[in-house]
Amino acid sequence: KAGVTQTPRYLIKTRGQQVTLSCSPISGHRSVSWYQQTPGQGLQFLFEYFSETQRNKGNFPGRFSGRQFSNSRSEMNVSTLELGDSALYLCASSRRDGSYEQYFGPGTRLTVT
Amino acid sequence: QQQVKQSPQSLIVQKGGISIINCAYENTAFDYFPWYQQFPGKGPALLIAIRPDVSEKKEGRFTISFNKSAKQFSLHIMDSQPGDSATYFCAASRQSGGYNKLIFGAGTRLAVHP
Repeated sequence: KAGVTQTPRYLIKTRGQQVTLSCSPISGHRSVSWYQQTPGQGLQFLFEYFSETQRNKGNFPGRFSGRQFSNSRSEMNVSTLELGDSALYLCASSRRDGSYEQYFGPGTRLTVT
Repeated sequence: QQQVKQSPQSLIVQKGGISIINCAYENTAFDYFPWYQQFPGKGPALLIAIRPDVSEKKEGRFTISFNKSAKQFSLHIMDSQPGDSATYFCAASRQSGGYNKLIFGAGTRLAVHP
């Protein structure tokens, strides 16, 4: 079974721009969660989508948003990029129906200059 | 109350030794405690997980010990190997009620010397 895939793997953007990251969950998994990983703040939860609805949200500004499609694929968007948004953005998928084990993708490394 | 505190920050162990990483939590509503292993350039990989109704869980060389009254849990890596050198994260979540949000510890960088 293929794992979680994330595209692109690397991205360089300029302050003020916006960016869209994509995540394809493991086949059969209907929940997608997004996390931000930085050396200073560690791994922090952004939000979770299940059945195309946001179910949980972390403590991030409204510039961070996401959505989920009917095939469970998810995208997250960051608008008006700031230098501090430079991070590894990780997507995790889970079945959520009795099993909440979360499996992570390789991440998208975003650098904001 | 949402924090998970992990120690030590870094750990050096000789090949064949036991690696022990500890975590503590405050929120008694947490009911799922996984451990993840992360190599440089990779996403975290689920190693092993435990629920509060069990005091110990073993999978191969990896064991989780859980102390509900002390609100602590730990990862033991037996017969540590150089290939175990990675960063380890403990996490906790409250899955009852439909919360699927993992709260992570700060991580422990493990180096296993040959």
